[in-house]
Amino acid sequence: DTAVSQTPKYLVTQMGNDKSIKCEQNLGHDTMYWYKQDSKKFLKIMFSYNNKELIINETVPNRFSPKSPDKAHLNLHINSLELGDSAVYFCASSQGTRTDYGYTFGSGTRLTVV
Amino acid sequence: DQQVKQNSPSLSVQEGRISILNCDYTNSMFDYFLWYKKYPAEGPTFLISISSIKDKNEDGRFTVFLNKSAKHLSLHIVPSQPGDSAVYFCAAHPWGGGGYQKVTFGIGTKLQVIP
Repeated sequence: DTAVSQTPKYLVTQMGNDKSIKCEQNLGHDTMYWYKQDSKKFLKIMFSYNNKELIINETVPNRFSPKSPDKAHLNLHINSLELGDSAVYFCASSQGTRTDYGYTFGSGTRLTVV
Repeated sequence: DQQVKQNSPSLSVQEGRISILNCDYTNSMFDYFLWYKKYPAEGPTFLISISSIKDKNEDGRFTVFLNKSAKHLSLHIVPSQPGDSAVYFCAAHPWGGGGYQKVTFGIGTKLQVIP
């Protein structure tokens, strides 16, 4: 039973398209995140949500819009995709006040923009 | 600006020996340090953590050492097993929970344990 699940696992799309990545966690966590792993393999935070409230919004283009309909879901919508958006996107969750258990990550969505 | 640095991109160790993965950081505000393991096509998996008030934390075969004055931490795996072959990420963040912690990750070290 997957703890943090992301769909789709692979996404190939053309420049200019709009796409969404969905994330769901069944751990009862109250905090969820989006991370981007670029071509240099750096994992960088994009957004964090706590109880559906946006907490962290890093320097990310406005074309990226997260949506959290409830505590268990955090979706990422990307408008007008560009070549530089190609990366692996990871969703993660944690129990907000606990930092010693780390995050639980999903298996990632590999986005390729052509 | 890399605030968390893993200067060894890869490491090979014989099965049964000790694996030592190193990590340096530059941000004095970091208060919590974590190690994650990642297999191909999977997300990172939390391994072990240490807060800045400690200098050592142990969990089974995994021990993390923190040297705050040197801004250095290391992960020791003893004994190393083939299943430990993975990419290991060092991560750190300032104090804060509830989603406020901005975790900064290193670029990872690929560990290969040779049977």
